[in-house]
Amino acid sequence: GESVGLHLPTLSVQEGDNSIINCAYSNSASDYFIWYKQESGKGPQFIIDIRSNMDKRQGQRVTVLLNKTVKHLSLQIAATQPGDSAVYFCAENLLGGNKLTFGTGTQLKVEL
Amino acid sequence: EAGVAQSPRYKIIEKRQSVAFWCNPISGHATLYWYQQILGQGPKLLIQFQNNGVVDDSQLPKDRFSAERLKGVDSTLKIQPAKLEDSAVYLCASSLEDTQYFGPGTRLTVL
Repeated sequence: GESVGLHLPTLSVQEGDNSIINCAYSNSASDYFIWYKQESGKGPQFIIDIRSNMDKRQGQRVTVLLNKTVKHLSLQIAATQPGDSAVYFCAENLLGGNKLTFGTGTQLKVEL
Repeated sequence: EAGVAQSPRYKIIEKRQSVAFWCNPISGHATLYWYQQILGQGPKLLIQFQNNGVVDDSQLPKDRFSAERLKGVDSTLKIQPAKLEDSAVYLCASSLEDTQYFGPGTRLTVL
């Protein structure tokens, strides 16, 4: 399944499928990007980050892709599990000052 | 390693009352942040501290919101008087370098 930007707030995928969550960021001067996962009633949890001098970074079951040309960020989750159900936020660090600006988020729902 | 601690977890007050939230950051993290998260939206930065000094409070409604971090460790955020639109989750985060780590938040309901 795939979501496009922050205009499609809900993404439903089948357990075991790959998920792709997209994010369009606003400032071409942003140099650091983070994906957070937020479960209901909890604070945002760090998933993975990437700096602007990279275009891809991999973690455990997650990959972040950065396309600076079109100011686009994506989070890929491999073999999506029920525990991945949450709201996912991308955040950009403006001007290197540790000031994060968050997007609206995408709700990921994993269907059994 | 202990995470960011916040209390209380929930608070219900009537409008025009005052309320205070407490945050204990991860040990050794010099930078502390307070965010407001309205339901269905991403967190919005209210104030950022570096040790006990304010780095950025441009988004803090200073007529009713105040925050302090007197000894450079714990921090409190106060709202006085509260308005209905202050109903939100107030998140505290801390960082050593770039990555911010969040606490569980305090859910405030203003009636």
